[in-house]
Amino acid sequence: KQEVTQIPAALSVPEGENLVLNCSFTDSAIYNLQWFRQDPGKGLTSLLLIQSSQREQTSGRLNASLDKSSGRSTLYIAASQPGDSATYLCAVTDGGSQGNLIFGKGTKLSVKP
Amino acid sequence: DTAVSQTPKYLVTQMGNDKSIKCEQNLGHDTMYWYKQDSKKFLKIMFSYNNKELIINETVPNRFSPKSPDKAHLNLHINSLELGDSAVYFCASSQDPREQFFGPGTRLTVL
Repeated sequence: KQEVTQIPAALSVPEGENLVLNCSFTDSAIYNLQWFRQDPGKGLTSLLLIQSSQREQTSGRLNASLDKSSGRSTLYIAASQPGDSATYLCAVTDGGSQGNLIFGKGTKLSVKP
Repeated sequence: DTAVSQTPKYLVTQMGNDKSIKCEQNLGHDTMYWYKQDSKKFLKIMFSYNNKELIINETVPNRFSPKSPDKAHLNLHINSLELGDSAVYFCASSQDPREQFFGPGTRLTVL
């Protein structure tokens, strides 16, 4: 059974710092991996999607990497800003299902001005 | 243009009632999903549905049932609501098992 773990559960950094959020999954037979952002009381915003055949994806100050064989992904945020404060969720699409996402419990990021 | 929309945004009801949450997507996707986010903010799949197949997470009580009048809609019906059903319910859609797009969520409170 696929399990997704995110470390750390919470992170507080000063503005301007570069930071890394970690995600690990137990079964490497994934179809893809998606990083989301969730603001308090809001829905999920898709940040990056990495297909299982890809190693990384970039969007602006965000870079996500995928090491499928070791069951790991990282989300790198460069030059963090207070507006980046949110909960970041990692989810994998199980290769055997109808595309169901299996989520980690998220990392709550706080960027202090 | 809203891609995935849900109504209502908030739903407060009494135990034992039956309620529905509506979901619509205008992305032309062929698969739709319902997820539940519990009080600890953990998101878990409930159902996935396309025109070929409904897949139900085995942990979902049969009081919950998805109904799809057409490809753009997947509504969630809940019978005999219980206190433990209080959560935020998210609808999502995708084209095949690709990038999923989520609705804004429906916060259900059962009193």
